[in-house]
Amino acid sequence: AQSVTQLGSHVSVSEGALVLLRCNYSSSVPPYLFWYVQYPNQGLQLLLKYTSAATLVKGINGFEAEFKKSETSFHLTKPSAHMSDAAEYFCAVIPTSGSARQLTFGSGTQLTVLP
Amino acid sequence: GAGVSQSPSNKVTEKGKDVELRCDPISGHTALYWYRQSLGQGLEFLIYFQGNSAPDKSGLPSDRFSAERTGGSVSTLTIQRTQQEDSAVYLCASSLSGGVGNTIYFGEGSWLTVV
Repeated sequence: AQSVTQLGSHVSVSEGALVLLRCNYSSSVPPYLFWYVQYPNQGLQLLLKYTSAATLVKGINGFEAEFKKSETSFHLTKPSAHMSDAAEYFCAVIPTSGSARQLTFGSGTQLTVLP
Repeated sequence: GAGVSQSPSNKVTEKGKDVELRCDPISGHTALYWYRQSLGQGLEFLIYFQGNSAPDKSGLPSDRFSAERTGGSVSTLTIQRTQQEDSAVYLCASSLSGGVGNTIYFGEGSWLTVV
């Protein structure tokens, strides 16, 4: 079964610093990969997705992620953190073959941005 | 509507009562999903609809949980004889079709508290 691991349940960065949120997947065949953001008391919003086109994926709000097959990773980055980036971030996968159609989520990373 | 709409946004119910949660997906979206988000369990898949049928209901935690979808649109998640462990945010999502690369859009959730 597909699974996804997010290293670090809490990450703190200073405003203006680099944001790096880690995501690793476990499957022999690379899945499709997604990053979602959840602001307090809101639903999930898609930041970006990898669907086997370009390995460097650019998303909304200045975020990007790079798919690295050799490392089974899909880490999320942003060069300069803003206070408004404080939220919980979820990495998710869907297998590219088979009948499963649902996202499998990681446990999430709470990002705090310090002034 | 413009997005996935869920109601009620908040529901407090007594243990043992039945509850119904409603989801109105994005117009034209044939795929619909229910997820549950709780502190201890993270984001869990419950059920997936394609049109009015549910090819994957593997995530429903017990026979107290059921869901239906009518007219290829609105879906209702029903929890019978609620228990305290059912307290969670229930998220509905939809996508244009069941294609694995399609973006899945989430509603803001229904927050259920069982007292």
